[in-house]
Amino acid sequence: EAEVAQSPRYKITEKSQAVAFWCDPISGHATLYWYRQILGQGPELLVQFQDESVVDDSQLPKDRFSAERLKGVDSTLKIQPAELGDSAMYLCASSRTSASYNEQFFGPGTRLTVL
Amino acid sequence: AQTVTQSQPEMSVQEAETVTLSCTYDTSESDYYLFWYKQPPSRQMILVIRQEAYKQQNATENRFSVNFQKAAKSFSLKISDSQLGDAAMYFCAYRKYSGGGADGLTFGKGTHLIIQP
Repeated sequence: EAEVAQSPRYKITEKSQAVAFWCDPISGHATLYWYRQILGQGPELLVQFQDESVVDDSQLPKDRFSAERLKGVDSTLKIQPAELGDSAMYLCASSRTSASYNEQFFGPGTRLTVL
Repeated sequence: AQTVTQSQPEMSVQEAETVTLSCTYDTSESDYYLFWYKQPPSRQMILVIRQEAYKQQNATENRFSVNFQKAAKSFSLKISDSQLGDAAMYFCAYRKYSGGGADGLTFGKGTHLIIQP
């Protein structure tokens, strides 16, 4: 069964360092989402891509976060510089299209700890 | 902005019994979708059940069913014949109707479901 892949699964970094997370969606899925899940909370959307274009990045802290999906397939989320408050689980999800009835499939996440 | 509220941080149920998880939401939209997702420990989030707001009939998926009250903006999940494998965090989520634009999920804070053997 096809799954969303993410790497690394765990990342420990010191504040002010740069970190990057990678996501490979299910093959053929045009829409890709990055969510941030702080411990004890529900996920919050950071950015949504349709193919290689950003559809929604209204909640992305653009002073330190960036995301790209250059060829409309896999995606990278970067934080520079990392801050203590960025410690969280970063989840990637994909769906066939952005039509609302389509199921979003989630990856296992990358757990980031900033020291 | 839409908000989703889950007022039960934790619920506990005996194996084989029935449990209901509560969810309320706030929106000014008339067309939208509601979801319940399950997040087992150290495993990815999976969809449990989905409800289209325009449908009056409550969705069911095997042992899982919802009670959708559109006027009250309430969307509860009932799990019948609870099994040990149902233990997980359960998230209620809202998604506005979109013909292809921004449609990320808005999640509640979750309910931790414990199954007592």
